[in-house]
Amino acid sequence: QQQVKQSPQSLIVQKGGISIINCAYENTAFDYFPWYQQFPGKGPALLIAIRPDVSEKKEGRFTISFNKSAKQFSLHIMDSQPGDSATYFCAASKGGGGNKLTFGTGTQLKVEL
Amino acid sequence: GAVVSQHPSWVICKSGTSVKIECRSLDFQATTMFWYRQFPKQSLMLMATSNEGSKATYEQGVEKDKFLINHASLTLSTLTVTSAHPEDSSFYICSAKRTGSSYEQYFGPGTRLTVT
Repeated sequence: QQQVKQSPQSLIVQKGGISIINCAYENTAFDYFPWYQQFPGKGPALLIAIRPDVSEKKEGRFTISFNKSAKQFSLHIMDSQPGDSATYFCAASKGGGGNKLTFGTGTQLKVEL
Repeated sequence: GAVVSQHPSWVICKSGTSVKIECRSLDFQATTMFWYRQFPKQSLMLMATSNEGSKATYEQGVEKDKFLINHASLTLSTLTVTSAHPEDSSFYICSAKRTGSSYEQYFGPGTRLTVT
């Protein structure tokens, strides 16, 4: 059962634009929502994460928006750069579940000049 | 930092042989490590949770006798693919959770396994 749905599957953004990736979850027991960036042939790297007690978190050009009632969260990449071209995964976990991460299906982002 | 290494980074083996992959947390202790499998252009699928000093917990559908996991110390977990077959070819990634940390997992660089 797919517990974290991610969209879009792929995204093309112009340099300097805003990249937006959305995720929706089903399990209301989830209480940790990270975003990972993965380059080809590499392991995922943690970008930013949020807990459900806040609606937004910003770190540099990356912002997570969280809507608990809608069970949705999104990643916004401001001033997108060609170096941001990668695959992005949202994930969710619950503290009582051994912190196992459930990943979304991934979004392949390409930032064009 | 929180660095996780994997060895080897890539390995080619013949069908029927066994392959061991190491996952090490270099600058922190990790009571819990996780093993994932990723096929090309797909998401990460959790295979098992590895806890130091105890048996690993496998996800549904993962053959525990085929994917042997050992977590003998707070900085090392190993995954052994036994009697490998071409369908086991994949990208294997481990992650480690810092001892005492609630949530954050740090991922290794992955190991590309090709079974011929």
